[in-house]
Amino acid sequence: SAVISQKPSRDICQRGTSLTIQCQVDSQVTMMFWYRQQPGQSLTLIATANQGSEATYESGFVIDKFPISRPNLTFSTLTVSNMSPEDSSIYLCSVDGTVAEAFFGQGTRLTVV
Amino acid sequence: DAKTTQPPSMDCAEGRAANLPCNHSTISGNEYVYWYRQIHSQGPQYIIHGLKNNETNEMASLIITEDRKSSTLILPHATLRDTAVYYCIVNSDYKLSFGAGTTVTVRA
Repeated sequence: SAVISQKPSRDICQRGTSLTIQCQVDSQVTMMFWYRQQPGQSLTLIATANQGSEATYESGFVIDKFPISRPNLTFSTLTVSNMSPEDSSIYLCSVDGTVAEAFFGQGTRLTVV
Repeated sequence: DAKTTQPPSMDCAEGRAANLPCNHSTISGNEYVYWYRQIHSQGPQYIIHGLKNNETNEMASLIITEDRKSSTLILPHATLRDTAVYYCIVNSDYKLSFGAGTTVTVRA
């Protein structure tokens, strides 16, 4: 199994500002994933982050709004840029396990006011 | 486009088996069936996955029909801590596409 730590666990931010969310894994992993869960909704994949290459974004998500870094095999960051109240969501980091399962962090609960 | 169909909610009595159905009639031959659950305010948790055969682990059993168009997740002895949203997902790669899931409420 993999243990994933996300920081911050929650934050309240002013509109127009940016927030960077950190994801730390206790073991080296090839792929890391970022999801968004809007209030009362299911999870939506934002992007896949591989070390040493640009992140791959899903339809509806762009790098300018959600820049991602992946400097090594145990760490990634997601930035939510120029925030608006519509960005209020839970943002989750995930990694692949060794038996096809995925492991998730506890999420970052973001409120934009 | 949704690949799976699950009932929106179901109740279960504590100590009884919970049977969660999932329809995936358009599943491809190389796609696996995965089950995850999300307890309130936590990240999703992997439960089990399978391709063709029935699978069992310490958490649950997965029964896949012979035509693979549907499956059932069985929680053998539900406890209050099993109250969660359960997601049935079919995929063949690393991307997980979460549907609305089934909200399972275990009642004492």
